[in-house]
Parts: sequence; C-alpha cells; structure tokens
Amino acid sequence: AQSVTQLDSQVPVFEEAPVELRCNYSSSVSVYLFWYVQYPNQGLQLLLKYLSGSTLVESINGFEAEFNKSQTSFHLRKPSVHISDTAEYFCAVSRGGSNYKLTFGKGTLLTVNP
Amino acid sequence: DAGITQSPRYKITETGRQVTLMCHQTWSHSYMFWYRQDLGHGLRLIYYSAAADITDKGEVPDGYVVSRSKTENFPLTLESATRSQTSVYFCASRGTSGGNNEQFFGPGTRLTVL
Repeated sequence: AQSVTQLDSQVPVFEEAPVELRCNYSSSVSVYLFWYVQYPNQGLQLLLKYLSGSTLVESINGFEAEFNKSQTSFHLRKPSVHISDTAEYFCAVSRGGSNYKLTFGKGTLLTVNP
Repeated sequence: DAGITQSPRYKITETGRQVTLMCHQTWSHSYMFWYRQDLGHGLRLIYYSAAADITDKGEVPDGYVVSRSKTENFPLTLESATRSQTSVYFCASRGTSGGNNEQFFGPGTRLTVL
C-alpha cells in the first residue's frame, strides 16, 4: 500500500514570493503522482501529474513539481505567487500501471497575503 | 449539464435517519468514487466502483452503502446517520484510457448530522 505525507499543513506567504509545498510518498512499486487544488467551497481540480518521462512537470498557471525517486518526493513550487493562488493543495499517489485508486495527503493550505 | 454533478449540495439531517447523496456523470466513465473530506484527514475513500454492478470498499466504508445500477449514477446511502458522518462528501469519476489516472471531482455535498 502507498501513503502520502504533506509536511506542512499551512503555508502563509506574501504575494510575489516563491513557495514550495512539500510532498513525500511511500510505495514499494512504481507510482503515478498528482497535485490537486481546491479553491474555497469547490471540488478538487487536477493541477499537474507525473506518469512517466520527464521528472519535471508544469501546470498552465506557473506551478511545477519534480518527481525525485531517490528521495520519494514530489514537491510543488511556484516562483512568484498571486493572491488567487490561495487554496488547499493535495498531493496524491496511485500505483503505476492500471491501478485506479488514489491515496491523498492531508492537504496544505496555502494563504497568499498582500 | 456535462460533467459530474452532486445533489444535494447541502443537507442537514438528524441522527438515525437515512440519507442518500446522489452523484451523476455524463462522460460514461467506468470508475466512480466516493470520498469524505474532514479537517486534518484530507480525503479518504469510502467506496468505489469499477463498472455498473461492481463496487468495493475503500478506507472508511462502515456506515455507508452504495449501488451502481447504471454507469452514470453512483448514489451513497447513510443507512442510519451518526454525528461522526458530518463531513463534506465528494464524488469522482475516471475513465479507463491508458495510464491516465486523472479523477474528475464533483462540487461536493456538505452534510451535517445533528
């Protein structure tokens, strides 16, 4: 079975500052990795995913995450955040191949202050 | 409407009552999932379904019942609601094409059990 640890439950930052949201996973088999974002009072939306290939994956709104197999990490970064990035971010893992179940971390609340 | 919808969006009920939460998706996705979201726990899988008439337990199934007579619908029933089932419930669906494990989430149902 796999598990996900999000190391920070809350991350407050100022607008235009860089941010890193940390995610570590444990699994004995190959994995797929995901970051989902949840804006207030909404459902989850996929932000980016790693399935295979390049270990650096990017989203359309400036976030990126790097799959590090040796450190079993998939940290999410953005070089300059906006007020609109305020949301809860969830890291999730599923077993590679045809597995369909996701295991989520407990979430990190990113608050961007002016 | 295209996509995945949940009803009701908000529900208040009393301990011991039966409650059914509805989920409907228009993509003909094979897989459907029910999660509950609680502060400090992230999202936890309650039940999932790989196809019509095929369901299986997730991480926290006790007190819940599901059915899937049609591909597009996946209702979740609390047979005798308890206060510990106060939560936000999310339904999700996923297709089976290749290794793309993206799940699409509904907007959620906020359930309060008094």
